[in-house]
Amino acid sequence: DAGVIQSPRHEVTEMGQEVTLRCKPISGHDYLFWYRQTMMRGLELLIYFNNNVPIDDSGMPEDRFSAKMPNASFSTLKIQPSEPRDSAVYFCASSLADRNQPQHFGDGTRLSIL
Amino acid sequence: LAKTTQPISMDSYEGQEVNITCSHNNIATNDYITWYQQFPSQGPRFIIQGYKTKVTNEVASLFIPADRKSSTLSLPRVSLSDTAVYYCLVGQEYSSASKIIFGSGTRLSIRP
Repeated sequence: DAGVIQSPRHEVTEMGQEVTLRCKPISGHDYLFWYRQTMMRGLELLIYFNNNVPIDDSGMPEDRFSAKMPNASFSTLKIQPSEPRDSAVYFCASSLADRNQPQHFGDGTRLSIL
Repeated sequence: LAKTTQPISMDSYEGQEVNITCSHNNIATNDYITWYQQFPSQGPRFIIQGYKTKVTNEVASLFIPADRKSSTLSLPRVSLSDTAVYYCLVGQEYSSASKIIFGSGTRLSIRP
């Protein structure tokens, strides 16, 4: 079975540009999560969806960040405008509905804002 | 909110058994304990989950005492490939993002 697929794997762009990260969750999974990982702050949950509906976006750092899930097989995380402090690895994960089901992570997008 | 505490780092040698303990004093009655492993340049990967007593799979064992205020991940006969960061996660209550916390994890280094 295919796991969680993220694209691109690496993104380098200049400050001020719009960045769009993409995620395809595992088919049949009800929850989708977006995380950000840095050396200083570790793994932070940004936002998560249940059945395509955003449930909690309290981890989104500021209005420059937005996330959408137009259907069950696709989600995007957008940063506009991007800043150097947004440089991090961004992970997408998905899981089944039961609260104790493990999350399945993609391999992440390494984002560098110059 | 079930906050977890783990050692920041641990070192061991190939062939040894490694035990990583996680403290979770405020664990709720319905919370399960889940451990993840993360290699460089990869996302975290589920390795084991338990509720009480002992759970064993092909990768690891998980020991949970009766009070459930801590848990110990046991890796038998480690190899260099077990070098990774290990996260303890308690409860995955999806009603709030504040209850999904990975913490800083334990950086395990295995030497030849």
